[in-house]
Amino acid sequence: NAGVMQNPRHLVRRRGQEARLRCSPMKGHSHVYWYRQLPEEGLKFMVYLQKENIIDESGMPKERFSAEFPKEGPSILRIQQVVRGDSAAYFCASSLSGGRTYEQFFGPGTRLTVL
Amino acid sequence: AQTVTQSQPEMSVQEAETVTLSCTYDTSESDYYLFWYKQPPSRQMILVIRQEAYKQQNATENRFSVNFQKAAKSFSLKISDSQLGDAAMYFCAYRSAILGSQGNLIFGKGTKLSVKP
Repeated sequence: NAGVMQNPRHLVRRRGQEARLRCSPMKGHSHVYWYRQLPEEGLKFMVYLQKENIIDESGMPKERFSAEFPKEGPSILRIQQVVRGDSAAYFCASSLSGGRTYEQFFGPGTRLTVL
Repeated sequence: AQTVTQSQPEMSVQEAETVTLSCTYDTSESDYYLFWYKQPPSRQMILVIRQEAYKQQNATENRFSVNFQKAAKSFSLKISDSQLGDAAMYFCAYRSAILGSQGNLIFGKGTKLSVKP
């Protein structure tokens, strides 16, 4: 039973380019959380999605960042016009359902470097 | 808003010895979960142990145990018989269990644990 998959594992972009990070949840999971880990920091919540719905995006920067979780395919975190401050590790976690009772399983993360 | 504080940026322990990592949190909620995650150099987040706030009994998983003091809002992790493979960043995390909560985790800044042979 495959775990949460994220790709690419490493992504290098130049300032101003777009970054697309993909997350495939565990089989049967329909809820995805995205977190960002800046250097020397803990993970910070960005956005929580169900299939075709954004449930909570309170942790997501208002500009340049967007997320989706289509009916088919992986969840995508998109960062437009990247800046050096976007360099971080981005983790997604999936759960069977949302809310309080279901464990989140983490993917291995995508390390984004902005030159 | 809930916050999680880990006051020890780095800790060191001798192999086979015991070490305790500290975590305090702030919340006005009565129902929540607390977690310890391990992040080795591979960066994979691994769940070490979990505690439900309504349970008075401290959680235990093999060599890992917690000291949960609800009134003091303290949640420390004890690692017994430390092994070289325990060397990693350790993150304390909080998650609301209030009905209607979204379930996102709130993390501390982490403690880097080194294990000396």
